[in-house]
Amino acid sequence: QVQLQESGPGHVKPAETLSLSCTVSGGSISSYSWSWIRRSPGKGLEWIGSVYYDGSTNYNPSLQSRVTISVDTSKVQFSLKLNSVTAADSAVYYCSRGMPPDYWGQGIPVTVSS
Amino acid sequence: QSVLTQPPSASGTPGLGVTISCSGSSSNIGNNPVNWYQHLPGMAPKLLIYGTNQRPSGVPDRFSGSKSGTSASLAISGLQSDDEADYYCAAWDGSLNGFVFGTGTQVSVL
Repeated sequence: QVQLQESGPGHVKPAETLSLSCTVSGGSISSYSWSWIRRSPGKGLEWIGSVYYDGSTNYNPSLQSRVTISVDTSKVQFSLKLNSVTAADSAVYYCSRGMPPDYWGQGIPVTVSS
Repeated sequence: QSVLTQPPSASGTPGLGVTISCSGSSSNIGNNPVNWYQHLPGMAPKLLIYGTNQRPSGVPDRFSGSKSGTSASLAISGLQSDDEADYYCAAWDGSLNGFVFGTGTQVSVL
């Protein structure tokens, strides 16, 4: 059974960089695509972007200038970096596998505030 | 702002059914498979339907998906209290070159 677990700080200051990791267990990271998705308070799900096993990426056009998603096959992890954050980036962040995403992590809440 | 539009809420009586609509365009629903997710507060979203009308293993056949043109639907029959959740349609958008979610529908079981 594939399991995904998000990790990282739950609080980030405005204008700083949000950095999260997702550890994959029970399956290979060297196939499939791997995505980050978020849900902001009072809003719906928003796809942030995806990284493929070969390192290629797709990003949400509305976030593309601030996002980097990368994969580290040796650590069986993939990561998200979102820079220049504002309060609007406060959300529960989910990592997921595949397209469409089938397996998801439980989510990690991140608050952006000073 | 999402490119896939859903009604904000839907409700039904236990044992009966409810249908949720999802309206898109030729760049997403019109030319790509539709997927549906169930999201309960504090939980990971669950894939209910993929490939427009396919159910992953373990999803009961009370859930069914369909599409016509640039619109899609999720039908839930035999409503149960456990079905109270937010439901999202989702599809790849070729114009945006990205994955888009619908605006979400909150289902209540009366």
